[in-house]
Amino acid sequence: DADVTQTPRNRITKTGKRIMLECSQTKGHDRMYWYRQDPGLGLRLIYYSFDVKDINKGEISDGYSVSRQAQAKFSLSLESAIPNQTALYFCATGTMENEKLFFGSGTQLSVL
Amino acid sequence: QQQVKQSPQSLIVQKGGISIINCAYENTAFDYFPWYQQFPGKGPALLIAIRPDVSEKKEGRFTISFNKSAKQFSLHIMDSQPGDSATYFCAARSSSARQLTFGSGTQLTVLP
Repeated sequence: DADVTQTPRNRITKTGKRIMLECSQTKGHDRMYWYRQDPGLGLRLIYYSFDVKDINKGEISDGYSVSRQAQAKFSLSLESAIPNQTALYFCATGTMENEKLFFGSGTQLSVL
Repeated sequence: QQQVKQSPQSLIVQKGGISIINCAYENTAFDYFPWYQQFPGKGPALLIAIRPDVSEKKEGRFTISFNKSAKQFSLHIMDSQPGDSATYFCAARSSSARQLTFGSGTQLTVLP
């Protein structure tokens, strides 16, 4: 089983719909991140959380919200999806002691 | 504001050749410089990383060269193989920052 699991793997939705992307991890890491990948733009940070009570905005948080339901679960929501939110979304985990990030396999989201 | 500039966007190399990907940064507080490798359908994975107290780090066929005065660092892949075909991201972080800043990515294709 994957250490960092993202669901769904693919999602097609319509403009204006609310959608949630979920991430769970079995690595026991305290830090969790949501990134967005777009061609030519690399990986951009949306939100990050260093523990259940510590939620922080990244560089592109507008239009997104997150919830850290438990140490192992971190979900990303699009309250009202728009087409320019079409992208590949990655969840990642890490620890304070080790700077290495562990990424999930991604969720490809298409907003029509 | 792109704090880490990566080039080229795409690179095609013959098998056995040397692949070179370059990154430049602006923030002199950056003190950790990793490279991540991403295969299609997968999340990025840490490949190799360097701190500015050394000018070079080598792991197998992969080498990071670091030029602190020029604020540049590069990834060299010696004896490139078709299995090295992937997207490569450079990144940087300062000790006071709470997240990595990624470059825009380089899609490497190694021809057989």
